[in-house]
Amino acid sequence: GQQLNQSPQSMFIQEGEDVSMNCTSSSIFNTWLWYKQDPGEGPVLLIALYKAGELTSNGRLTAQFGITRKDSFLNISASIPSDVGIYFCAGQMAGANSKLTFGKGITLSVRP
Amino acid sequence: EAQVTQNPRYLITVTGKKLTVTCSQNMNHEYMSWYRQDPGLGLRQIYYSMNVEVTDKGDVPEGYKVSRKEKRNFPLILESPSPNQTSLYFCASSPASSYNEQFFGPGTRLTVL
Repeated sequence: GQQLNQSPQSMFIQEGEDVSMNCTSSSIFNTWLWYKQDPGEGPVLLIALYKAGELTSNGRLTAQFGITRKDSFLNISASIPSDVGIYFCAGQMAGANSKLTFGKGITLSVRP
Repeated sequence: EAQVTQNPRYLITVTGKKLTVTCSQNMNHEYMSWYRQDPGLGLRQIYYSMNVEVTDKGDVPEGYKVSRKEKRNFPLILESPSPNQTSLYFCASSPASSYNEQFFGPGTRLTVL
């Protein structure tokens, strides 16, 4: 299947810091999404992006759909302890029955 | 409350003993899907269903079956489980109008001995 690359696998930041993570692919995607998984729970949708260049915010989170349509990034500002979790990017290629492809996720740790 | 429920949440079984993990959603969603999550591999899709009686393979369908007889239910069947199917399983649902904005269940942790 299509590959979405997220790295590094883990990130460690201090409370209050901003953090950026990106997601890249060698293929073009029509939709980019960012999900967060809290420990012991299922992923929850954070932001969905549908247009190249689109910049969308959700509270302290901001995500962008890359102009080339091969990447997306997520920024978290002023991190707090509850930001801890796994952040997945997901992408969907064109097509009525196109599947959602997930990246492997980045585990974020926030030191108080 | 709008939700996706899975049962059981935890299961330990033995190789070859058939099992079913149920998934139900109360949001009248057309699209449902099963994923497995393994360390270092992220979420991989097993099967998905665009609507009742319509199912299709995801990226890792081997060893699994599904059925979609009713809109709200999408059970995952392991006819003969093997240890490599030990994993964390998630069911998800979404409306046809935005089927990539998926709502996930709480997960089922399966161990096959």
